[in-house]
Amino acid sequence: SFELTQPASVSVSPGQTANITCSGDTLPKQYANWYQKKSGQAPLLLIHKDSQRPSGIPERFSGTSSGTVVMLTISGVQVEDEADYYCQSTDRDNRNVLLGGGTKLSVL
Amino acid sequence: EVQLVESGGGLVQPGGSLRLSCGASGFMFGHHYMDWVRQGPGKGLEWVGRSRTKAHYYATEYAASVKGRFEISRDESENSAYLQMESLQTEDTAVYYCARVDLSGYGWDVWGQGTTVTVSS
Repeated sequence: SFELTQPASVSVSPGQTANITCSGDTLPKQYANWYQKKSGQAPLLLIHKDSQRPSGIPERFSGTSSGTVVMLTISGVQVEDEADYYCQSTDRDNRNVLLGGGTKLSVL
Repeated sequence: EVQLVESGGGLVQPGGSLRLSCGASGFMFGHHYMDWVRQGPGKGLEWVGRSRTKAHYYATEYAASVKGRFEISRDESENSAYLQMESLQTEDTAVYYCARVDLSGYGWDVWGQGTTVTVSS
């Protein structure tokens, strides 16, 4: 089981906005990070510390946090954004890593 | 260039052992925790464990699924991290990644390309 809960799938059309949520009891106290995972590739850090975008990540990727829920927003979704997305955080003691089950984004 | 390169994957029989290596370059290896993350076929990402720095006593943490069977170590003279896997089970079949931990947010900001471990008779 996962201590961070994500929807299994989200579908959007190109150009629309995709919102992927992640909920967990530790999120009010711990940062969340988001990753994009495409088949055959290593994961890519998209958002760290809830809402910060590492250099090189397109501005269409953004993150927000509100209480026990964090959300990844992809604005103006492109076909190349079709991938699995994972949220990640840590437990209250910063000892163990928590991972969501992943959300498959389909761009129809 | 900041880089992580894994090696050591392969085919192993159930109950067998394997040691994975992760070579780091382009950054101060001794300043970063290093994690191992895996993805089994058709499954999501799964955190395997963590190696902390000398400043944090080289402490390690493990996921419940591997605790007691896997051991993470590091050699700062070699800028390398290692994952020793014992008593391997078919469910350990996965692509194994090493990842650098960004200590400001505990995210994984640098990843290796992954090495495949297949546990099968």
